[in-house]
Amino acid sequence: EVQLVESGGGLVQPGGSLRLSCAASGFTFSSYQMNWVRQAPGKGLEWVSYISSGGSTIYYADSVKGRFTISRDNAKNSLYLQMNSLRADDTAVYYCARENGPHAFDIWGQGTMVTVSS
Amino acid sequence: QSVLTQPPSMSAAPGQKVTISCSGSTSNIGNNYVSWYQQLPGTAPKLLIYENNKRPSGIPDRFSGSKSDTSATLGITGLQTGDEADYYCGTWDSSLSAGVVFGGGTRLTVL
Repeated sequence: EVQLVESGGGLVQPGGSLRLSCAASGFTFSSYQMNWVRQAPGKGLEWVSYISSGGSTIYYADSVKGRFTISRDNAKNSLYLQMNSLRADDTAVYYCARENGPHAFDIWGQGTMVTVSS
Repeated sequence: QSVLTQPPSMSAAPGQKVTISCSGSTSNIGNNYVSWYQQLPGTAPKLLIYENNKRPSGIPDRFSGSKSDTSATLGITGLQTGDEADYYCGTWDSSLSAGVVFGGGTRLTVL
């Protein structure tokens, strides 16, 4: 079964750090571009970051640029999101998503909740 | 405030047809493919349409997509109560802040 499973979410204080992981299974992870998308409580979808299949090309949303770092380990079939200098408005469910076709996300994880609060 | 504009809510009766609009600009919809996602309450989004009008395997042909200039439309025919969900359009935006952009979402009520 094709699957993405996120982990690493939790409660963190403003200014703190958190590292999210996304474990892929059921497909050749190294062949696909990957993304992180987040959704604040009661709000819409917000794209966070993109990484190419080999990891050489990376993009970030302006809202996280300079604070978040996306990476991947194709040998471990895993995607990561290092989040530093967290703010209250980073509170959201974070989804990893497989990109299949131009900017089309065909497989999503179940999401992991990140809450930034003192 | 989203880069892509969708109506916040729509409603229709079972069996009816609904069209959800997504309006953008030349930096996004006008020059890039559009995707559509369905998000049922409490679940992750699901890809319904990609490359403007293509359906992934398993998506019924009740769902259709189209694009014209800087706007896109998702059509749903034969509405079912199980179609009650949030629907999002998405595409690439090649402006200075390049990246994927989503519409604000449309809450569809089937009553």
